[in-house]
Amino acid sequence: EPEVTQTPSHQVTQMGQEVILRCVPISNHLYFYWYRQILGQKVEFLVSFYNNEISEKSEIFDDQFSVERPDGSNFTLKIRSTKLEDSAMYFCASRQGGFRKLFFGSGTQLSVL
Amino acid sequence: AQTVTQSQPEMSVQEAETVTLSCTYDTSESDYYLFWYKQPPSRQMILVIRQEAYKQQNATENRFSVNFQKAAKSFSLKISDSQLGDAAMYFCAYRSEGEGGSQGNLIFGKGTKLSVKP
Repeated sequence: EPEVTQTPSHQVTQMGQEVILRCVPISNHLYFYWYRQILGQKVEFLVSFYNNEISEKSEIFDDQFSVERPDGSNFTLKIRSTKLEDSAMYFCASRQGGFRKLFFGSGTQLSVL
Repeated sequence: AQTVTQSQPEMSVQEAETVTLSCTYDTSESDYYLFWYKQPPSRQMILVIRQEAYKQQNATENRFSVNFQKAAKSFSLKISDSQLGDAAMYFCAYRSEGEGGSQGNLIFGKGTKLSVKP
């Protein structure tokens, strides 16, 4: 089965630093997502991306966050100035159109110290 | 806005027995999709089963089945012949029908932690 690939699996950073989380969605997929999960809590939607632009973002996705699909292959999430509360597992996901399965990556655990 | 509620933070089942996990949701939409995801300790999100709201027939995937009650806005997951490998966190999720915008995004419940006793 095709996979969504996320790198790195674990990222440690200092508060105030910029981080970029990387994802390679499945090649023929059209819709891309970032979700996050704070330890012990539910998975929360951050942002969806379609046709090279953000289609929706949640309240969590403030000005510190940005997404890019720079080369038609990678899909990145950037946090400009990390805060302690940004520590979470970040999941990338992608799907084709229609009622198609959403494929999740294995996640990047971000730890902000 | 749509919400998903899982009222059982933890459940336990004996190996080979059957367990049912509850999920209710709130929506004003008539067309939507519902999902159950499994999250083992590795924290990978694994799709277990999905249901289209317009289908009256309950979805089934091997030992996993759902009881979808549209009028009651209930979507429970039944695991038959429970196995040790079923131990995980289970999340119920809702998605609006249609493409683009918010319609493709999943709304998750808080999850139910399932333990399987040998």
